[in-house]
Amino acid sequence: DAMVIQNPRYQVTQFGKPVTLSCSQTLNHNVMYWYQQKSSQAPKLLFHYYDKDFNNEADTPDNFQSRRPNTSFCFLDIRSPGLGDAAMYLCATSRAGQGGETQYFGPGTRLLVL
Amino acid sequence: KQEVTQIPAALSVPEGENLVLNCSFTDSAIYNLQWFRQDPGKGLTSLLLIQSSQREQTSGRLNASLDKSSGRSTLYIAASQPGDSATYLCASDQTGANNLFFGTGTRLTVIP
Repeated sequence: DAMVIQNPRYQVTQFGKPVTLSCSQTLNHNVMYWYQQKSSQAPKLLFHYYDKDFNNEADTPDNFQSRRPNTSFCFLDIRSPGLGDAAMYLCATSRAGQGGETQYFGPGTRLLVL
Repeated sequence: KQEVTQIPAALSVPEGENLVLNCSFTDSAIYNLQWFRQDPGKGLTSLLLIQSSQREQTSGRLNASLDKSSGRSTLYIAASQPGDSATYLCASDQTGANNLFFGTGTRLTVIP
């Protein structure tokens, strides 16, 4: 089945220790998104890739970076995690279009910062 | 900046009841309005998408409406079932680039 896969499902890291979250898709979608969802809050878009074009949201901290080496994979790098970065990180994909394309979400990676 | 609000934050209903979930947004210049479902500890599943030119969309027991002028959308669930228990989030697309602004959701519990 075509799907969006996120690994690991749970990640524990130490304060200030770099961490990488991964997302892969078998849907062959052009667009991939990373969202941050803190407890009881709305998902917040961090950035997205349209093919290889990287689009950063204005208020995404510099501490967050992303890489997309190919169509199938996208990585979220947190260079120096702080306690406030503990959250669920959601990856999503969609076809390219002029708005109105359904986004398909992975199950998320829950990050804990000690 | 767009603000999306969903009230109530939580709702409990007995099985079989029809119910309405509310979503309001401050900026009516939207391309579309989307409804998602999120089960505990999991990702989001797209339910319905209403383009700005549309008034409503239906899928099975779900019906979503959109009133841009008043900045409101509703999700109607008919004949609720325990399997409908989840958090329902609405999101607006402001730019047509599918960059979504989400509400915080309504957590629905359907009691058998």
